[in-house]
Amino acid sequence: KAGVTQTPRYLIKTRGQQVTLSCSPISGHRSVSWYQQTPGQGLQFLFEYFSETQRNKGNFPGRFSGRQFSNSRSEMNVSTLELGDSALYLCASRPGGYSNTGELFFGEGSRLTVL
Amino acid sequence: AQRVTQPEKLLSVFKGAPVELKCNYSYSGSPELFWYVQYSRQRLQLLLRHISRESIKGFTADLNKGETSFHLKKPFAQEEDSAMYYCALGGSNYKLTFGKGTLLTVNP
Repeated sequence: KAGVTQTPRYLIKTRGQQVTLSCSPISGHRSVSWYQQTPGQGLQFLFEYFSETQRNKGNFPGRFSGRQFSNSRSEMNVSTLELGDSALYLCASRPGGYSNTGELFFGEGSRLTVL
Repeated sequence: AQRVTQPEKLLSVFKGAPVELKCNYSYSGSPELFWYVQYSRQRLQLLLRHISRESIKGFTADLNKGETSFHLKKPFAQEEDSAMYYCALGGSNYKLTFGKGTLLTVNP
């Protein structure tokens, strides 16, 4: 079974631009979560989707948004990029449904550098 | 609010020595506690969870609700245990709250 796949793996943007990151979950997994990982703040929760519905959102500005498609694939978008948005963005999937959290299966991440 | 504290950013031990990675949490409800590990150049992966009460790669962790702790222990560390370890707390809101991690180095 293929793992969680994230694209692109690396990207460089300049301040003010916007970026879209993509995540394909493990087949059969319907819940997708996004986390931002930085050296200073560690792993911080961005949002969680299940069946195309956002069930929870972390404490990030409105420039951070996401969505999930009917095939469970997910995208996140960051608009008006700031230097502080430079980070590793991790996507994680799980079968989802009705349990609280359970085991998350992580992708390798998309490393965003904002210049 | 959910909060996880890992007091040690770095922990260095010698091979064969016991190791304990500390984790304390704050949560008003019934917590789910996990340890995730990230080996060099690998993705973040689950090491163990409190509900399974099993030993993985020689590691165990016991949930102590009185002390709100979930420390990770191994009696005899191995060089291949060198990695970044994250304690994580799950609640009823579909998110995991991670500690900032402890980098474990096992020296030969």
